[in-house]
Amino acid sequence: AQSVSQHNHHVILSEAASLELGCNYSYGGTVNLFWYVQYPGQHLQLLLKYFSGDPLVKGIKGFEAEFIKSKFSFNLRKPSVQWSDTAEYFCAVRITGGGNKLTFGTGTQLKVEL
Amino acid sequence: GAVVSQHPSRVICKSGTSVKIECRSLDFQATTMFWYRQFPKKSLMLMATSNEGSKATYEQGVEKDKFLINHASLTLSTLTVTSAHPEDSSFYICSARESRPDTQYFGPGTRLTVL
Repeated sequence: AQSVSQHNHHVILSEAASLELGCNYSYGGTVNLFWYVQYPGQHLQLLLKYFSGDPLVKGIKGFEAEFIKSKFSFNLRKPSVQWSDTAEYFCAVRITGGGNKLTFGTGTQLKVEL
Repeated sequence: GAVVSQHPSRVICKSGTSVKIECRSLDFQATTMFWYRQFPKKSLMLMATSNEGSKATYEQGVEKDKFLINHASLTLSTLTVTSAHPEDSSFYICSARESRPDTQYFGPGTRLTVL
């Protein structure tokens, strides 16, 4: 079965710092990749997704992620974080032809300090 | 983006009773909905896939007789926790898949507390 690892469980940054959150998955076949964000007290929202094509994907709110197939990674980046980016971030993987099921990583809690 | 609602947002019940949670896609039709469980400081764990007009597909280790899922229409799926016990206390989240664009939209979750 596939699995998703997010190695950073808690990240604390100052405003304007750059962000990179790691995501690795274990599955040898074709996958779709997602990053979701959960702001405090709110529901999960899609930040960006990769299905095929350009491995550098741009999402909402200035986020981007790069799919590196050889490393089984899909790291999330943002050049300059804001206080409002404080949230929990989840990476998710979907196996193509696997019934549309998402497998989530354990999440990374990001706190941005003023 | 599309909106998915859940009702109730919070429920407290006594041990042994049953609780029904509704998940609705408000502005699109969803042939497939998913039910997740989220433990404190943990990831979302997929419980089952709910397909409109057919039986739900449960993940390994999830008791189908305890967590009854019904997907009676293209906009409504329900999860009934039967004979709830304190260990069933958790945050239950549903999602609905819109085929075009191919995206899952998540509900706000339901906090279940079983006393």
